[in-house]
Amino acid sequence: QQPVQSPQAVILREGEDAVINCSSSKALYSVHWYRQKHGEAPIFLMILLKGGEQKGHDKISASFNEKKQQSSLYLTASQLSYSGTYFCGTESPANDYKLSFGAGTTVTVRA
Amino acid sequence: GAVVSQHPSWVICKSGTSVKIECRSLDFQATTMFWYRQFPKQSLMLMATSNEGSKATYEQGVEKDKFLINHASLTLSTLTVTSAHPEDSSFYICSASHRDPYNEQFFGPGTRLTVL
Repeated sequence: QQPVQSPQAVILREGEDAVINCSSSKALYSVHWYRQKHGEAPIFLMILLKGGEQKGHDKISASFNEKKQQSSLYLTASQLSYSGTYFCGTESPANDYKLSFGAGTTVTVRA
Repeated sequence: GAVVSQHPSWVICKSGTSVKIECRSLDFQATTMFWYRQFPKQSLMLMATSNEGSKATYEQGVEKDKFLINHASLTLSTLTVTSAHPEDSSFYICSASHRDPYNEQFFGPGTRLTVL
């Protein structure tokens, strides 16, 4: 079963912040975040493991609340290069540890 | 990061022909490779999981006789779309994972298949 992502789309000006949420109805082992530009393959951003991890790289960070089966991706002081569609992929023992991807959140950063 | 290549980048073929897509992990040995299909503005839908030297595991609703997967080595998996029809037109993406220590998946650049 696919995780649920919200919002579907967000439009930002450069320098603004955004949060993308990902929730699952199943117990999760890990959450993966990817960004995909139009016509290109998804690029791996980060993986968060059960145990309540938080991670970040540059101004993109994420958290994983294992108990709530939720993860959030934080875009801070967004840059034009952050534009794209962000997918969360959830890994669950119930799904044989295969990744199930959310429907995606389209982020548009404008100058 | 790990590099995964796919060939070809795009292919246009006539209905009824077969098309082979290659997926290679260039700088690591991939224990497992995955094949996804993505329609415009939609998410990635897993088609099958491929482990080197064993038969692929197909997701529900994916015809194994139509989408033939071969994983001959730790660096190469192929997907053959047999007797392709216009409804098979899509963006096909492979990913590779070495599952060590985690199940990070590294995606190839994708292959756009158009069946006329």
